[in-house]
Amino acid sequence: GAGVSQSPSNKVTEKGKDVELRCDPISGHTALYWYRQSLGQGLEFLIYFQGNSAPDKSGLPSDRFSAERTGGSVSTLTIQRTQQEDSAVYLCASSTPGQGYEQYFGPGTRLTVT
Amino acid sequence: GNSVTQMEGPVTLSEEAFLTINCTYTATGYPSLFWYVQYPGEGLQLLLKATKADDKGSNKGFEATYRKETTSFHLEKGSVQVSDSAVYFCALSPNAGGTSYGKLTFGQGTILTVHP
Repeated sequence: GAGVSQSPSNKVTEKGKDVELRCDPISGHTALYWYRQSLGQGLEFLIYFQGNSAPDKSGLPSDRFSAERTGGSVSTLTIQRTQQEDSAVYLCASSTPGQGYEQYFGPGTRLTVT
Repeated sequence: GNSVTQMEGPVTLSEEAFLTINCTYTATGYPSLFWYVQYPGEGLQLLLKATKADDKGSNKGFEATYRKETTSFHLEKGSVQVSDSAVYFCALSPNAGGTSYGKLTFGQGTILTVHP
């Protein structure tokens, strides 16, 4: 079946602009995760959704970052007033209890803030 | 908090050499442990996992054993191939009732290059 998809695959934006990154999880997966991969910080957890609620958003680096999930499916990560340190690859993963919560990752969105 | 420490790379080997990538962790309770692999230009893929002490995860000739006494999950392969060149990440996840849930905490990644 289809895997996790993310869009756009690449995004170049100017400092100070807002960006939205989209994640389409595997159909039926109830859990959804956002991570960030950057050279300086490695792979960092950002936020976790179970259904449409986010029981763990401890990894969001600042209040410029927000995320929502609707219909228990698609999720959007929004970064407001982007800064150069936001440049990274943003990864989305989904999982389901039926598969032991094994996380399946999307290809990522590479964000470059100029 | 939880943390994962991997041996620093990069690691460069000749084809058919033996591979070990060390991974140790700090966590409360009994986490699930994972190795993920990222091939050049591709996304993260689960390589293998273990959900309880003394479990051995294995896949594609790679193995790792969950050692609670040494809080380790070292990755091994007896004979590497050029196609194994990739970045390898050790990770853990909180465990509840044998089913992992919640966020993954990753090690810093180890770059493996295998030469013919």
